[in-house]
Amino acid sequence: AQSVTQPDIHITVSEGASLELRCNYSYGATPYLFWYVQSPGQGLQLLLKYFSGDTLVQGIKGFEAEFKRSQSSFNLRKPSVHWSDAAEYFCAVGARDSSYKLIFGSGTRLLVRP
Amino acid sequence: NAGVMQNPRHLVRRRGQEARLRCSPMKGHSHVYWYRQLPEEGLKFMVYLQKENIIDESGMPKERFSAEFPKEGPSILRIQQVVRGDSAAYFCASSLGKNTEAFFGQGTRLTVV
Repeated sequence: AQSVTQPDIHITVSEGASLELRCNYSYGATPYLFWYVQSPGQGLQLLLKYFSGDTLVQGIKGFEAEFKRSQSSFNLRKPSVHWSDAAEYFCAVGARDSSYKLIFGSGTRLLVRP
Repeated sequence: NAGVMQNPRHLVRRRGQEARLRCSPMKGHSHVYWYRQLPEEGLKFMVYLQKENIIDESGMPKERFSAEFPKEGPSILRIQQVVRGDSAAYFCASSLGKNTEAFFGQGTRLTVV
């Protein structure tokens, strides 16, 4: 079955520290991969996406993610976290011919210590 | 250019009532998608519509739920005879094309009491 796993429900980091949010997926073929951020009371904003090519993808707000086919992972990273990054982060996958039908992970809530 | 607009932001309904959720896509977008987010879960795809057509409703519950996207006006997600289990956040997204980036609205949080 197709699924997305975000093993960390909550993560707390200090401002200025580095961040890595984990995402593993189970899919029949190489899917399209996405990371979204949801701030409290807001909709989802696309941080970055991977379709093909370079497996290290740069996104907005200083985020990057690396696609590792052998590990079925698409972890999100940021070298230095800012207080405004506190939010919920969702990893998602979509089929190449129907990427509108995204399968989301259950999310990781990021808390940032001052 | 306004983003995807959903209203109301919050909706409270008693069991057995009807809930109507509205979504106005971004200007120029003719593809609309509805997702549901149950508490402590990720979003789950419900339905994909283009103007006046339902393209994919594989995620819609078989009963009580319906969606439309008329030629004029917003897309509507209708839930009849709501039950407590329908309490969730309902997100709408829109895009220019089927496989182009989808932009999400702020969601409607439905509470059934």
